[in-house]
Amino acid sequence: DQQVKQNSPSLSVQEGRISILNCDYTNSMFDYFLWYKKYPAEGPTFLISISSIKDKNEDGRFTVFLNKSAKHLSLHIVPSQPGDSAVYFCAASGGQNFVFGPGTRLSVLP
Amino acid sequence: DSGVTQTPKHLITATGQRVTLRCSPRSGDLSVYWYQQSLDQGLQFLIQYYNGEERAKGNILERFSAQQFPDLHSELNLSSLELGDSALYFCASSATGAGYGYTFGSGTRLTVV
Repeated sequence: DQQVKQNSPSLSVQEGRISILNCDYTNSMFDYFLWYKKYPAEGPTFLISISSIKDKNEDGRFTVFLNKSAKHLSLHIVPSQPGDSAVYFCAASGGQNFVFGPGTRLSVLP
Repeated sequence: DSGVTQTPKHLITATGQRVTLRCSPRSGDLSVYWYQQSLDQGLQFLIQYYNGEERAKGNILERFSAQQFPDLHSELNLSSLELGDSALYFCASSATGAGYGYTFGSGTRLTVV
C-alpha cells in the first residue's frame, strides 16, 4: 500500500516554462512534507519543505503548495531550467521516518 | 559533499553471499536511516537508528540487519543475497530523531550476479 504517490513517472517541459510535479498521500497523520531532487549517481538532496500549518512555501524558483483536504501537494518550478532535469521525490512524515514517493523524472528541454 | 559518507560506492557479489555497507553520518547527527532504491522504484525505508538504538523499522527483510556503533557510524548487513537485492542503498542522517529533513549520502550500488 503506497502511502505517498507520484502518479507521473516522467514529465517533459520546455525551458522557461512552468514545471508542475504532483504528489498525493493517503495518511492523514502526515504533517510535514519535503521535496528532494536526485541527479544520477548522487544521493537525493533537499529542495523545499512545507508543514501542515501552511498551504504554500516559496524558495526562489520553487514553490510547494499543500491542499490538506485533498491530501495533495505540488511543486512548481518557474522558470524551468535545463539544470532542473532530475528525479524529484515527494516525502511525507508524521513525526518519525519519511515515506517517499516513487519519484517523477523531469526533463527540461532547451 | 553532503557530509554523509557511504562506502563502498560499488559492490558486485554473487548470490548467497553476505556484504556489509557502511555509513558515517554528518557530524553531530544522531539519527541514521537506511533506504533501498530498486530499479524504477522509489526510496523504500528499511530501518532507522538513533544514538545507537533501533528507532523504526520499515520493509527490511529478515536477511538484512543493521546496527549503529558508539561513534554513530552505521552498518547494513545483507546476507544470503539474491538477484533481487541488487539496488542502490542510501544512508541518510538527521540531527534529531524526529526526522525533519535528512541529508543523504551518495549511495552504494549493489549488484548481485
